Amino acid sequence: AQTVTQSQPEMSVQEAETVTLSCTYDTSENNYYLFWYKQPPSRQMILVIRQEAYKQQNATENRFSVNFQKAAKSFSLKISDSQLGDTAMYFCALGGGADGLTFGKGTHLIIQP
Amino acid sequence: ETGVTQTPRHLVMGMTNKKSLKCEQHLGHNAMYWYKQSAKKPLELMFVYNFKEQTENNSVPSRFSPECPNSSHLFLHLHTLQPEDSALYLCASSQEGSRQSYEQYFGPGTRLTVT
Repeated sequence: AQTVTQSQPEMSVQEAETVTLSCTYDTSENNYYLFWYKQPPSRQMILVIRQEAYKQQNATENRFSVNFQKAAKSFSLKISDSQLGDTAMYFCALGGGADGLTFGKGTHLIIQP
Repeated sequence: ETGVTQTPRHLVMGMTNKKSLKCEQHLGHNAMYWYKQSAKKPLELMFVYNFKEQTENNSVPSRFSPECPNSSHLFLHLHTLQPEDSALYLCASSQEGSRQSYEQYFGPGTRLTVT
């Protein structure tokens, strides 16, 4: 069975700071994908960034980047120059089988002005 | 319409009512999902339809009944629900390969309140 663990239920940082959200996972698959999703308050869940396990290079999308440590089964999300609009629930997800994604419990990120 | 749409966005129903949630995806995907999102809990996968066949049930109570008439539409039929079924119900779709799970695209959800 696949598992995804997010150990930080809530985090709060000041605007413009850099914040890192942690995620660890476990899977028996050799080829898999990892994702970070963002769910703003009362708004739709959207994909932030995606990492393919066979790629060693860490994925980057503008201010969002990941630190993918395959051996340690760690997949953290770094948000640089954080903005008020980054306030949301962030979910780490793992895809490696034929039955969809396994999600973590989420981290509630609050960006303070 | 683009992406994944869900109707209604809000629903209040009594425990003896019967209602249905609707999901439609405009992305040409071949798999669709129902999730339940309750406060302080992780997303719970309820049903998976892959190529219109149900492949995952996850021991969901029979008061929830899914229907997938084609690869673009997904319904969740509700009857005799309990107050603890109050939650946000999310629909998602993806393009599934034979061995990989790709990113899922989510609808806005239906906020269900059972009174």
